[in-house]
Amino acid sequence: QITLKESGPTLVKPTQTLTLTCTFSGFSLSTVGVGVGWFRQPPGKALEWLALIYWDGDKRYSPSLNSRLTLTKDTSKNQVVLALTNMDPVDTATYYCAHRPLSFGSDWFDPWGQGTLVTVSS
Amino acid sequence: EIVLTQSPATLSLSPGERATLSCRASQSVSSYLAWYQQRFGQAPRLLIYDVSNRATGIPARFSGSGSGTDFTLTISSLEPEDFAVYYCQQRSNWQITFGQGTRLEIK
Repeated sequence: QITLKESGPTLVKPTQTLTLTCTFSGFSLSTVGVGVGWFRQPPGKALEWLALIYWDGDKRYSPSLNSRLTLTKDTSKNQVVLALTNMDPVDTATYYCAHRPLSFGSDWFDPWGQGTLVTVSS
Repeated sequence: EIVLTQSPATLSLSPGERATLSCRASQSVSSYLAWYQQRFGQAPRLLIYDVSNRATGIPARFSGSGSGTDFTLTISSLEPEDFAVYYCQQRSNWQITFGQGTRLEIK
């Protein structure tokens, strides 16, 4: 059974850097084809993709947030860490990580973590 | 960036009825189209991947179809637990985007 869980601060101040950790079980990020994606959802709004890291270390970032995002993985700890710099109140959202199964040419995500609500406020 | 437009924004139906949800892409996404269900207060759940493949454990009343730029999620006979928000998602040119969602509500 694959599970993922996001952890990190629930409140950050404007201009600070948000660091979130996705801790997962049931798969290894060294297995060919798999990956971990990050997403967010502002209250009452749609889902937004942020970033994706693959088993081979390849990383993809949302073009609109590329300059603010950094993804790292620790395969031995089964963790992926997302950093988002220069936080602003508009970044208030529930942040999710999700498993990207082996697929050919496509990226879809199953399952997802429960999400963590991050509020940006001074 | 490929924009996904879902319609309708809200769909009001009764249990037992058939639901048809649409997702239109601003350019072709080939077969890289997935659908997710999000119940209130929960994380998204994968329903369909690669246009028409049901994810593990998804009931047969859910089906996906389409190609190129026009895609459909059909729920053949609505159960009470199906009333939720549905999102389509594509991956093209190493970018991933979601539609704005369709809210399926009880009539």
